Amino acid sequence: GAGVSQTPSNKVTEKGKYVELRCDPISGHTALYWYRQSLGQGPEFLIYFQGTGAADDSGLPNDRFFAVRPEGSVSTLKIQRTERGDSAVYLCASSSGLAGGTDTQYFGPGTRLTVL
Amino acid sequence: QKEVEQNSGPLSVPEGAIASLNCTYSDRGSQSFFWYRQYSGKSPELIMFIYSNGDKEDGRFTAQLNKASQYVSLLIRDSQPSDSATYLCAVNMGFKYGGSQGNLIFGKGTKLSVKP
Repeated sequence: GAGVSQTPSNKVTEKGKYVELRCDPISGHTALYWYRQSLGQGPEFLIYFQGTGAADDSGLPNDRFFAVRPEGSVSTLKIQRTERGDSAVYLCASSSGLAGGTDTQYFGPGTRLTVL
Repeated sequence: QKEVEQNSGPLSVPEGAIASLNCTYSDRGSQSFFWYRQYSGKSPELIMFIYSNGDKEDGRFTAQLNKASQYVSLLIRDSQPSDSATYLCAVNMGFKYGGSQGNLIFGKGTKLSVKP
């Protein structure tokens, strides 16, 4: 596909459960980002990968959140012991990874997570 | 605390008018500035970026940057009902790891309504 894809599009889970959200970036993009967006707010940065490594994970709210990108392409965001406050739209973005201020991020459609 | 501030609106303009959207940021070290458009229930899509002081034009859109005042704006000429959306200002704080742009700090967005 031409754009960033995310699965599932919707996820409903119960408090305390574990969830995995998947992101497939634009082909050839080395940089991948996870954000979450709550209603009425702008996206909030979670983590940024350059290749396989997490270059900046300063936005992860606590140790229940973890993300991997083992082969430098697909990434999975993992949330343990979900809480109702985790309910949000989780957005993934990718960019070419080139140095410079014009390295723009392209967003996927998001995964809407609802924790009951 | 790094912050990006936007008037949440709604901003209502008649069709054909100029819509002016404003954004201020707190970190003087900010390097690149992005405007995203987000339709209700959809993911953000990039409109344009700017990183030098002054104006940058792209079709009906003009971004204006004033680093001394820590202010960036977006003008939309000949506004159309299809421009009705939330406009997100995002700021890149710099290149922490020498590669891509790291993370973006988003404002809460300004909701624009263009009335026919």
